[in-house]
Amino acid sequence: EIVLTQSPGTLSLSPGERATLSCRASQSVSSSYLAWYQQKPGQAPRLLIYGASRRATGIPDRFSGSGSGTDFTLTIARLEPEDFAVYYCQQYGSSPLFGGGTKIEI
Amino acid sequence: QVQLVQSGAEVKKPGASVKVSCKASGYAFTGYFIHWVRQAPGQGLEWMGRINPNTGGSNSAQKFQGRVTMTRDTSISTAYMELSRLRSDDTAVYYCAREPSEPGTTSLIDYWGQGTLVTVSS
Repeated sequence: EIVLTQSPGTLSLSPGERATLSCRASQSVSSSYLAWYQQKPGQAPRLLIYGASRRATGIPDRFSGSGSGTDFTLTIARLEPEDFAVYYCQQYGSSPLFGGGTKIEI
Repeated sequence: QVQLVQSGAEVKKPGASVKVSCKASGYAFTGYFIHWVRQAPGQGLEWMGRINPNTGGSNSAQKFQGRVTMTRDTSISTAYMELSRLRSDDTAVYYCAREPSEPGTTSLIDYWGQGTLVTVSS
């Protein structure tokens, strides 16, 4: 069974800084079926990135995804105040699975 | 616009069952799979299963097999998730969510319901 490990657990940054989040899979993720979601307190998650690097509709270009195989990265180029939230990676496809999340705090 | 509106919060006793509804609007209900994902307090996201509203066919994560039942009523564009034999660790927010219809997006989620808090307590 694949396990998705996100790191770090918490990232303490300031607005304007660059955020780099990691998602590592215990086995290769087929066809780059890797997505990233953002979740703010009391809200449902929101799709940011799918196919490892494709931005979902309406997502600002400061969000970018990269990686393949077992190592994936979400980068936020310059943090805006509304970006402080929890981020989850997901392997989708026939056996969907979420990572444990990374919290970006001020 | 696409909307998934879920039923309200529930409080249940251990051993009981809960049934959460998810009413879809703004798109063709039978054209998109519906998923169920839960989130325990302060914890991450856990995929439970999905249903094809067109056929009624469903599959669930191994952890929930035998305890979860997913159904739908196409006449009112509503999906349901029933979880039986509830335990205290089933206390969570339960989300319904929609999968896109494009090829290569199986189990990707593009729209989410607002969530339903289910509390299991004696």
